Amino acid sequence: NAGVTQTPKFQVLKTGQSMTLQCAQDMNHEYMSWYRQDPGMGLRLIHYSVGAGITDQGEVPNGYNVSRSTTEDFPLRLLSAAPSQTSVYFCASSYGGQIYEQYFGPGTRLTVT
Amino acid sequence: AQSVTQLDSHVSVSEGTPVLLRCNYSSSYSPSLFWYVQHPNKGLQLLLKYTSAATLVKGINGFEAEFKKSETSFHLTKPSAHMSDAAEYFCVVHASKLTFGTGTRLQVTL
Repeated sequence: NAGVTQTPKFQVLKTGQSMTLQCAQDMNHEYMSWYRQDPGMGLRLIHYSVGAGITDQGEVPNGYNVSRSTTEDFPLRLLSAAPSQTSVYFCASSYGGQIYEQYFGPGTRLTVT
Repeated sequence: AQSVTQLDSHVSVSEGTPVLLRCNYSSSYSPSLFWYVQHPNKGLQLLLKYTSAATLVKGINGFEAEFKKSETSFHLTKPSAHMSDAAEYFCVVHASKLTFGTGTRLQVTL
């Protein structure tokens, strides 16, 4: 199993550009989520999904969109990048009944200039 | 409402000495508690979990944590630090949702 994979590993954007961070898992997990990690703030939940076709907002959803057309994939879209979105982004997945036991991807380091 | 507080942002120990990373929590419900570890440039990995069974929980790599309801604490310990333990550690509480602490960076020196 590859587990949770994320692409790209690094990305630099200019203010106003859009892009999609990719996330895929091969463990047939129902639950998937996106977090951002900023110094001194721990991880904050952006969006999550409890299954294909179902998504919901987390703690900091503004400026981001998600969709879940398949169980495996959960892309995160930045609509119009802002410097405040400079962060490290983690995708995670888990079985629906055990959302606390999450498997994390290696992260995407995004810089917005 | 729920919250988690990691009392130290940075802890430095010598190799072979004990490790103590402190975590306090608050929750309106009986929580589940977890510790995750993040090695440099890696994603987070579950270290151990407490889900209302035994209050002393053993995890991977010799770590353990004790749930103390009266003190609302869930401190992470290890009897003898190893260089490979150098990482960032996150305490996490789950009642109605997952809430991550701000992290404790563990430095291990020779």
